[in-house]
Amino acid sequence: EAGVAQSPRYKIIEKRQSVAFWCNPISGHATLYWYQQILGQGPKLLIQFQNNGVVDDSQLPKDRFSAERLKGVDSTLKIQPAKLEDSAVYLCASRTGTGVMNTEAFFGQGTRLTVV
Amino acid sequence: AQSVTQLGSHVSVSEGALVLLRCNYSSSVPPYLFWYVQYPNQGLQLLLKYTTGATLVKGINGFEAEFKKSETSFHLTKPSAHMSDAAEYFCAVRPNTGNQFYFGTGTSLTVIP
Repeated sequence: EAGVAQSPRYKIIEKRQSVAFWCNPISGHATLYWYQQILGQGPKLLIQFQNNGVVDDSQLPKDRFSAERLKGVDSTLKIQPAKLEDSAVYLCASRTGTGVMNTEAFFGQGTRLTVV
Repeated sequence: AQSVTQLGSHVSVSEGALVLLRCNYSSSVPPYLFWYVQYPNQGLQLLLKYTTGATLVKGINGFEAEFKKSETSFHLTKPSAHMSDAAEYFCAVRPNTGNQFYFGTGTSLTVIP
């Protein structure tokens, strides 16, 4: 079974530029998460999708961050314009969303963003 | 909101020694509990999870954890540390009525030869 795919793995941009990250979840997983992991901290949820609908985006800085999951499969996360404090690893995760046993999230390798 | 506390941001053990990483959660209703491991420049990999049933759960790479409701804890242990266990470990909870995962701040494990 293929895992969660993310691209690019690394990105360096200047502040005020824009950047986009892509995520392809595990096939059939209805729930998709984007997390921000700042160095030395645990992952923090940015946004959660259930199929193509947003379930929780309360911690997404909507003035600069946006995300979509148009067909309920792939997702993109965009930052425009980027700030220095956005330097972090952006993790995508997916989960089937059904049943008691299928309760863990599967994570991609992440995209490491450096804003200079 | 849930909170997850991992005591000790850095833990060092000698190779072959016991590994103990601590995790406490705040919730009146026991959530689902998870331990993830993160190697450098990698994503998070599930070590083990507790959902229901037996409170002592075994995971990959010889790790296990015990859910103690009275202590709201889910500490991770391994009897004998190996060099390959050096990594960042995250405890996470998911309320049994929701889909969101809440992570602790992580514990960096160093294994000394």
